[in-house]
Amino acid sequence: KNEVEQSPQNLTAQEGEFITINCSYSVGISALHWLQQHPGGGIVSLFMLSSGKKKHGRLIATINIQEKHSSLHITASHPRDSAVYICAVQNAYSGGGADGLTFGKGTHLIIQP
Amino acid sequence: DGGITQSPKYLFRKEGQNVTLSCEQNLNHDAMYWYRQDPGQGLRLIYYSQIVNDFQKGDIAEGYSVSREKKESFPLTVTSAQKNPTAFYLCASSYRGGFSEAFFGQGTRLTVV
Repeated sequence: KNEVEQSPQNLTAQEGEFITINCSYSVGISALHWLQQHPGGGIVSLFMLSSGKKKHGRLIATINIQEKHSSLHITASHPRDSAVYICAVQNAYSGGGADGLTFGKGTHLIIQP
Repeated sequence: DGGITQSPKYLFRKEGQNVTLSCEQNLNHDAMYWYRQDPGQGLRLIYYSQIVNDFQKGDIAEGYSVSREKKESFPLTVTSAQKNPTAFYLCASSYRGGFSEAFFGQGTRLTVV
């Protein structure tokens, strides 16, 4: 079973700061997701990665398959970025079936004005 | 547009009552999943289904039941046997196979009083 570790668990920063959230996993994966959960609980999918780097607006996600590590970066952070960010991995060796995801516990981000 | 719809977003029930959470997808996905989130913990797998009329228990299936009569629908019933039903519930879907992208619903926050 894959073990997914996120760091930091909690992060408070000032508006405008560059934010980095990290995710490490223990065994090979087919893909990694970054999700955003706002207060009130709704989940939004930000990225799915299997290699390299993706960018959407002020958000950048990278993955290093050899190191079993991914990072989510937020540039020019804003109070509306305040949310819980969740890393989830899709296991590679599922015996031919999609056996679901393993989720990290999330990083609680607060951006202060 | 294709996607997953969970309803309702918020749900309140009295203790001892069964309650059914809806999850519908129009992505033609074979596999569907239900997860539960508790404070301070990662999302955990309750049940999953890889094909119509078949489903498997996940890590925390006790007190829950599901059905998969149609490809598009995977309702979750929280029964009175579930000792701590208050939680956030998330539905996801994907094609079968370890390299398929998973899509997520918005989630349902269930409160039992």
